[in-house]
Amino acid sequence: TQLLEQSPQFLSIQEGENLTVYCNSSSVFSSLQWYRQEPGEGPVLLVTVVTGGEVKKLKRLTFQFGDARKDSSLHITAAQPGDTGLYLCAGGGDYKLSFGAGTTVTVRA
Amino acid sequence: GAVVSQHPSRVICKSGTSVKIECRSLDFQATTMFWYRQFPKQSLMLMATSNEGSKATYEQGVEKDKFLINHASLTLSTLTVTSAHPEDSSFYICSARPATDTQYFGPGTRLTVL
Repeated sequence: TQLLEQSPQFLSIQEGENLTVYCNSSSVFSSLQWYRQEPGEGPVLLVTVVTGGEVKKLKRLTFQFGDARKDSSLHITAAQPGDTGLYLCAGGGDYKLSFGAGTTVTVRA
Repeated sequence: GAVVSQHPSRVICKSGTSVKIECRSLDFQATTMFWYRQFPKQSLMLMATSNEGSKATYEQGVEKDKFLINHASLTLSTLTVTSAHPEDSSFYICSARPATDTQYFGPGTRLTVL
């Protein structure tokens, strides 16, 4: 099983501030996904990155995939209360996805 | 596109009874579906991989006789929790994969065993 480590585990910030969530592994992944999950719901796919060094932007969210395809980051600019949720990274590479432990983000109004 | 549904969304049952949870891919065919379990404020734990027309592959530590999985068609997989006990109470989530590495998740089923 390929392990993914996410940090920080919890993040609480004020509306308008920026935040970054990290996802690291010692293994190489052919692709990496970021999901957001709200309480009582299933995870929703935000983005898939497949190329080392790739940067993808989704409105105020910026996703980076490390050059060696072992790590990734999610940066949120000017966070809003609607960004509150559990953020999960998951790596492909073989048949199954490996999930990080998740980062609980709380954005205070 | 890529919508996955689960039914029921919530279920409460008595200890010793069996509960069936359905997972459907609504607008695509999925040869592979996955079943996860999630405890409060924790990540997803893969329980088993469900392949259409063949036996499910269970992760280490997951009892296959307790968690019965059937993937009868390209759009439907079911998870049956047999002889449920309070420790089986959890949030069960399925996902379906229309393409390599991309999984789309259902909304989850909250199981409470009294």
